Amino acid sequence: KAGVTQTPRYLIKTRGQQVTLSCSPISGHRSVSWYQQTPGQGLQFLFEYFSETQRNKGNFPGRFSGRQFSNSRSEMNVSTLELGDSALYLCASSWDGTTNEKLFFGSGTQLSVL
Amino acid sequence: GDSVTQMEGPVTLSEEAFLTINCTYTATGYPSLFWYVQYPGEGLQLLLKATKADDKGSNKGFEATYRKETTSFHLEKGSVQVSDSAVYFCALNERQAGTALIFGKGTTLSVSS
Repeated sequence: KAGVTQTPRYLIKTRGQQVTLSCSPISGHRSVSWYQQTPGQGLQFLFEYFSETQRNKGNFPGRFSGRQFSNSRSEMNVSTLELGDSALYLCASSWDGTTNEKLFFGSGTQLSVL
Repeated sequence: GDSVTQMEGPVTLSEEAFLTINCTYTATGYPSLFWYVQYPGEGLQLLLKATKADDKGSNKGFEATYRKETTSFHLEKGSVQVSDSAVYFCALNERQAGTALIFGKGTTLSVSS
């Protein structure tokens, strides 16, 4: 069974640009959640999608958005990039959208904003 | 709001030494508690979890007990190996929060032979 796949693995952008990151969950999983990991703030929850609907959202500005498609694949978008958006972005999938079942994390997309 | 505090690292140990990584939490409800591990260049992997007070989670020789009276979930292992070198994260999840985990800052463990 393939794991959670995130693309691209690395990304370099400049301030003011926008970026789209992709996450393909494990087959059959309906929930995808996104996290930002930085040395200063650690791991912070961005949002979660379940069956194409956003169910939970963390404390991030509106520049951060996401969506989920009917095949459960998810994308997150960051508009008007700032230097502080440089981070490792992780997505995680689960079957039922709870932590009763295991969350499976991808290896992440390392975003550098110059 | 809810939060997780774990001991600062790095923690440096020799192989076969005893490991303790402290974790305390603040929560308004009755959260589930987790330890995740991150190896270099990889995503997080669930190491163990406990869903209610006095539960003990265990996996691969690691253990942690959910202590509601001290709001703690300390990670222990009796004999560490070089392959245990990684970053360890303590986390909590409130039951109504879906898959939103609140993480501690992480503790880097380095084990030498």
